[in-house]
Amino acid sequence: QQQVKQSPQSLIVQKGGISIINCAYENTAFDYFPWYQQFPGKGPALLIAIRPDVSEKKEGRFTISFNKSAKQFSLHIMDSQPGDSATYFCAATYSGGGNKLTFGTGTQLKVEL
Amino acid sequence: DAGVIQSPRHEVTEMGQEVTLRCKPISGHDYLFWYRQTMMRGLELLIYFNNNVPIDDSGMPEDRFSAKMPNASFSTLKIQPSEPRDSAVYFCASSPRSRGYGYTFGSGTRLTVV
Repeated sequence: QQQVKQSPQSLIVQKGGISIINCAYENTAFDYFPWYQQFPGKGPALLIAIRPDVSEKKEGRFTISFNKSAKQFSLHIMDSQPGDSATYFCAATYSGGGNKLTFGTGTQLKVEL
Repeated sequence: DAGVIQSPRHEVTEMGQEVTLRCKPISGHDYLFWYRQTMMRGLELLIYFNNNVPIDDSGMPEDRFSAKMPNASFSTLKIQPSEPRDSAVYFCASSPRSRGYGYTFGSGTRLTVV
């Protein structure tokens, strides 16, 4: 019930293309869904987050799409750049959960020239 | 603020030795989390504290692992005795009370037990 399932495990995209990473959850109590970006040798860093009262949130080239009825959310990276090559984690938490995040298993993105 | 500070960055130790990892959270953050990251298991929450009090230690793998937070600016994760399967990157993260600000992770400690 606490799991967040993330796919794909790895992704290769050409420069300028769209990268799409998907996550699904079971716990309907989850009410905050952040995405984290991790570069080699660094800790994950908050990239963008969404609450379930909106279906989409955009920040620059990064967009979260949220489907509450399907209990799915996804990260879209438009105009992908080599500098976007990193591991991306989706996560979820709920009020009363003590700020505890449940992380997906991660997606290694490589953007090729 | 310098962010979440972890030390050491790298630790190589022999099996059976005691290992202590250290973390200084961001000032004013109410929550502190210890995570372990491996290729096989991804990011695993080991334990977290709220206002220096341990709230959930269900992720601590064995009694060999212990964590303390004696004050708001310092936490330790200790492994005694260490085993090769403990080799991983250990992250400390802190967050304010409001979930909207997310976690801030440290740069991690890469532990190798030989």
